[in-house]
This record gives sequence, C-alpha cells and structure tokens, in this order.
Amino acid sequence: AQSVAQPEDQVNVAEGNPLTVKCTYSVSGNPYLFWYVQYPNRGLQFLLKYITGDNLVKGSYGFEAEFNKSQTSFHLKKPSALVSDSALYFCAVRGGGGSQGNLIFGKGTKLSVKP
Amino acid sequence: DSGVTQTPKHLITATGQRVTLRCSPRSGDLSVYWYQQSLDQGLQFLIQYYNGEERAKGNILERFSAQQFPDLHSELNLSSLELGDSALYFCASSVHGSTEQYFGPGTRLTVT
Repeated sequence: AQSVAQPEDQVNVAEGNPLTVKCTYSVSGNPYLFWYVQYPNRGLQFLLKYITGDNLVKGSYGFEAEFNKSQTSFHLKKPSALVSDSALYFCAVRGGGGSQGNLIFGKGTKLSVKP
Repeated sequence: DSGVTQTPKHLITATGQRVTLRCSPRSGDLSVYWYQQSLDQGLQFLIQYYNGEERAKGNILERFSAQQFPDLHSELNLSSLELGDSALYFCASSVHGSTEQYFGPGTRLTVT
C-alpha cells in the first residue's frame, strides 16, 4: 500500500534561514509525490509535484523539493524562510491501483518561522 | 482562491442527525474527491466521483454517502452522526487525467 511519513510534527526556523520539511514514502511502482500547504482556517494549496524527470522540483512561493529514490525521500526546501511561510505542510502520494486519483497524506508538519 | 466552493462553512448539529455538505468543482473539472481532516485521523480520503460515477472509495463509513450530479456539483451526506464525526470536510477537484487536485475551503462540522 502507498504511504508517506512526515517524521517531524513541528519544525522551527528563524526568518532568513534555510528550511527543510522531511517526507519519506513507500510505494509500489513509480511514485507520484506532492506537497500541499494549509494556512489556518483555509483549504490546502498545491505547492509542487514530482512525477518523473529532474529530481529537483521547483514550486510555488520559492519552495522546491528533492526526490531521492535511493532514500525514498521527498523533502521540501526553501533557501530563505519567511514568517509568512508559517503553516501546516503535507506530503502526499497518489494512491495506486484502482484508486489512482486520490491522495494519501502524511500527518503534516507544522512550520514555525520566527522573526 | 482555488475555484472550488463548499457550503456551508460551518455546521453544528446534534448526535443522530443527518447533514448534507455541498461542493462545486472548478469549471471544467470532472473529478470530485472528498476528504476528512480530524485531529486523530489526519487527512483521509473518503470517496471520488468522476462525471457522475463513483470511481474510488477510501475510508468512508457506511453512514456516509455521496453523489455527483449532472451539473458536476457533489454532495456528501452524513447520517446518524456521532461525536467522532466532528471534523473538517474538504472537497477537491481535478481535470481527468491531471495529477493536481484543487481543494475547497472546507466545511467544519461540529457534532454535539
């Protein structure tokens, strides 16, 4: 079964410092991986995806993610964090088999960026 | 704004009652997905419809049902509500064959 794990409940970063939010995956077949962000009292917003191709994927708001097949990881990164990046971040993998459309989410990581 | 709308924003009801949540997908999107977000279970996929037909089922209780209408809007029906059904319910839509899903703002259901 497809699954993703986010090992950190919370990540604290100072504004201007680089940030990393970790995600590991377990899939059968080729992984379709996603990052979404959820601001308080809002829906989920799509940040970026990896389907195939370059292992470094660039997304919205200056975020990028690195796909690492040998480590089965898909960590979200940003070179310089902003206070406004503070939010809940979800890694997701596309379901396989007959339910290829739905997303399977990790538990989420709360990112806190302090001034 | 994702283009996906959900009504109502908030819903407070009592145990044993039945409620209907509504979702309008982005213009042109044929697929609609329903997800439940709760503190203990996280974000879980419930059910998917494509152009009016059920396409996939996730961890959806038998007390819950959904449908997608000819105008492509979808409704999620929750019956015999229990306290544990209190959660944020999201609808998402996508173009068939596309990989991104666009989420609505959610409906917060509180069962008292």
